[in-house]
Amino acid sequence: EVQLQQSGAELGKPGTSVKLSCKVSGYNIRNTYMHWVNQRPGKGLEWIGRIDPANGNTIYAEKFKSKATLTADTSSNTAYMQLSQLKSDDTAIYFCAMEGYNPYYFDYWGQGVMVTVSS
Amino acid sequence: DIVMTQGALPNPVPSGESASITCQSSKSLLHSNGKTYLNWYLQRPGQSPQLLIYWMSTRASGVSDRFSGSGSGTDFTLKISSVEAEDVGVYYCQQFLEYPRTFGGGTKLELK
Repeated sequence: EVQLQQSGAELGKPGTSVKLSCKVSGYNIRNTYMHWVNQRPGKGLEWIGRIDPANGNTIYAEKFKSKATLTADTSSNTAYMQLSQLKSDDTAIYFCAMEGYNPYYFDYWGQGVMVTVSS
Repeated sequence: DIVMTQGALPNPVPSGESASITCQSSKSLLHSNGKTYLNWYLQRPGQSPQLLIYWMSTRASGVSDRFSGSGSGTDFTLKISSVEAEDVGVYYCQQFLEYPRTFGGGTKLELK
């Protein structure tokens, strides 16, 4: 069974950074792309970017290019997203999602992690 | 970027009735391979999204046949026949043709 286990809730002060993790079990992340999606309180889903763990290649949505940094550790089968220069509107739930065997949709999702930015 | 626009539902929907959710893309999602790269997800309250439909009309594994997807290159419909309590949540369309992988704004389904 494929599972994506995300790290716990984060509370960050404005101007600081947080690093979120997404550990995958049951599937080798070298064989897929890992994506990150956010959801601000009461709002819809917003795609942030994706990483190819096999080579580290990344693609970001324009608005997140200076906000998010995606990395992956294939030895631990874990994807990471660092959010820098936190502001109050970075407060959101962040999901990792994986394409799986068929690379045309998000087949598997993490449980989501709440990031709260507050002084 | 491809903009995805979803319509609203006349909530609440009576249990057992059908419901249709619309989604429109700013660019055709029809690929040269003949497949249309439009996905539907359901996010139940307090849960992560789950895949319902991919390639516009192919149901994901384990998804009830009460869900069906249809459309053209730019206009899409998700139909839910005989709405049940477990269908309550927010439905999102997503295009998978280009980066960024954009979502629609979501359509909320409430049950009467």
